[in-house]
Formats: sequence, structure tokens, C-alpha cells
Amino acid sequence: NAGVTQTPKFQVLKTGQSMTLQCAQDMNHNSMYWYRQDPGMGLRLIYYSASEGTTDKGEVPNGYNVSRLNKREFSLRLESAAPSQTSVYFCASSETTGSLSGNTIYFGEGSWLTVV
Amino acid sequence: SQQGEEDPQALSIQEGENATMNCSYKTSINNLQWYRQNSGRGLVHLILIRSNEREKHSGRLRVTLDTSKKSSSLLITASRAADTASYFCATDMDTGRRALTFGSGTRLQVQP
Repeated sequence: NAGVTQTPKFQVLKTGQSMTLQCAQDMNHNSMYWYRQDPGMGLRLIYYSASEGTTDKGEVPNGYNVSRLNKREFSLRLESAAPSQTSVYFCASSETTGSLSGNTIYFGEGSWLTVV
Repeated sequence: SQQGEEDPQALSIQEGENATMNCSYKTSINNLQWYRQNSGRGLVHLILIRSNEREKHSGRLRVTLDTSKKSSSLLITASRAADTASYFCATDMDTGRRALTFGSGTRLQVQP
């Protein structure tokens, strides 16, 4: 069972370089998310897509762009990487963002990004 | 700023003991969830409690929610070495943002 798959697992970038983190889910979920995790900070929401064709900013969107390519795929792009973007990035998905019914999120295994 | 704040930040106990972690949050919520993260892995959902519920059980897990105090606790009974992980609370706030907000986590170490 693949669930949420994100690539690459590890990446080292030089300041100013660009890259795209890829994410795909095979659970037919409507909603997808990108979080970053820094030591002692928990997870912070970068962007999310409540449904195919929509994207919204989260808590820390600056320096990032996203594309909901189709229902399965949601990519995160760093246009000009900065050392402050060194972090672990998690893609996640859920059936919906409907809050009243509860909304379990399924996470990928993470992408470790270092910007030097 | 983080919506949820876990307490303590780190907890070390012996196998067989109970572990209690607390989460406080700031705004009204629709539900609160607890997730577990093993080192180097993604987060895994443990349990969800809705705002109109006060207590919920799942196996060795017991979650309580006090909306008047804006707090929740996660109790793991009869802990095992395999319970060693970080535990996060996540809130589904009653606002326009349609995504979970995570706390900073409690790192639990269970000594065999």
C-alpha cells in the first residue's frame, strides 16, 4: 500500500537554486497538504489544496509555490532556495477538509532538504 | 504561532509505566487529533476526539478533552519500548483555514 509518496527523500541545494518536491497519493483523497518540520517547532502548514483545482496559503507560504497537477499529485516548488528553507518537508492528504466529520491526515515519509 | 502546545516537551519513563502528555490550544476547535511520529518517519494518526466529546479510548490510549480549559491529554497505559516516539496534538480550528494545525510535540522515551 503506497499511500502518500514523496520524492526526493534527500536533497542538498545551493542558495539560489530551484527545485520541486513531488507528491502523489493513491487513496483518491480530495485534499492535499505540504508541511515543514523544524526542530522544536512541530509542523507548520505551507500550502494546502482542499480539492483539485484549488490551492490556499498556510502559515508559512513565503518562498514557495504549489501546483495541484491533478487529483493525485501536489507539488511544492522552491524558486530560489534559502538556508532558512532547510527543513524536513511532509506531504499529506485527507479525504476532505470537512471539519465537522473529522479529518484524518495521512502523511508521506518526508523529504530532507538542506540549503547551503 | 503554534495553535497547540504540548507539555512536557520530553518525557522518559520505564516500560510498564503510564505516560501522560498534555496539549493546550488557543481558539475554538471542531475536533482534536493525536498523531505519533517515529524517528525519521512521517506522522501516523492515533485518535480523534470531537469538541462535544469528553473522553475517548482506543486500545492502550485514552484521550480527554476539556473545551472550557482548551486542553487535551493523551494517556498511554502500560507503555512499551515500541511506544518511543514523538506525539503531536493537532487541532481543527473553527476558522476559515481548512487544515490541521499541529503543536510542537512531546518526545517520549520508554526505557526497557
